Amino acid sequence: DAGVTQSPTHLIKTRGQQVTLRCSPKSGHDTVSWYQQALGQGPQFIFQYYEEEERQRGNFPDRFSGHQFPNYSSELNVNALLLGDSALYLCASSSGQRFNQPQHFGDGTRLSIL
Amino acid sequence: QQQVKQSPQSLIVQKGGISIINCAYENTAFDYFPWYQQFPGKGPALLIAIRPDVSEKKEGRFTISFNKSAKQFSLHIMDSQPGDSATYFCAASLLNDMRFGAGTRLTVKP
Repeated sequence: DAGVTQSPTHLIKTRGQQVTLRCSPKSGHDTVSWYQQALGQGPQFIFQYYEEEERQRGNFPDRFSGHQFPNYSSELNVNALLLGDSALYLCASSSGQRFNQPQHFGDGTRLSIL
Repeated sequence: QQQVKQSPQSLIVQKGGISIINCAYENTAFDYFPWYQQFPGKGPALLIAIRPDVSEKKEGRFTISFNKSAKQFSLHIMDSQPGDSATYFCAASLLNDMRFGAGTRLTVKP
């Protein structure tokens, strides 16, 4: 039973560039949430996708956008990268939109901005 | 804004000892309180979770104690082992929101 998979594992970009991160949810899950985890901090919620629509959004600018595909996989796009965007980006999947239930995390994509 | 405060930031425990990590929350609407374990280079893994209708939940060596009136909950790791060395995050959530604590780095010395 495959868990949550994310790609790529590491990425290096320069300021002003754009990046796309990918996530495949755990089998049987239909909801994907994205989190940003800065070094030494807990994950911060970016947004959630369910039924191919953004359902919830945290306090992140419009430079952060996403998409969910019919097979429930998801992409996170970040435009006009800033140095402060350097972080571990985590994808979590669950069955249904509710946050008050188990969420399963992938191992993340480490994004470094030079 | 921080709605979940976690302490301590770091903790060193001898093998066989008890590790205790504490969290406090502000929003009384939170109704699900999970703990996650994260090893370096890995994503957080769900360890144990509790809902506010019970005061304690135990799974193996891991126990959550929950105090609704004080808006606090804690993770107890009994018989701590070197393999438990990791960063632990508490979280609090409700239907449409989830907040994490800042994490506790646990080191269990052999």
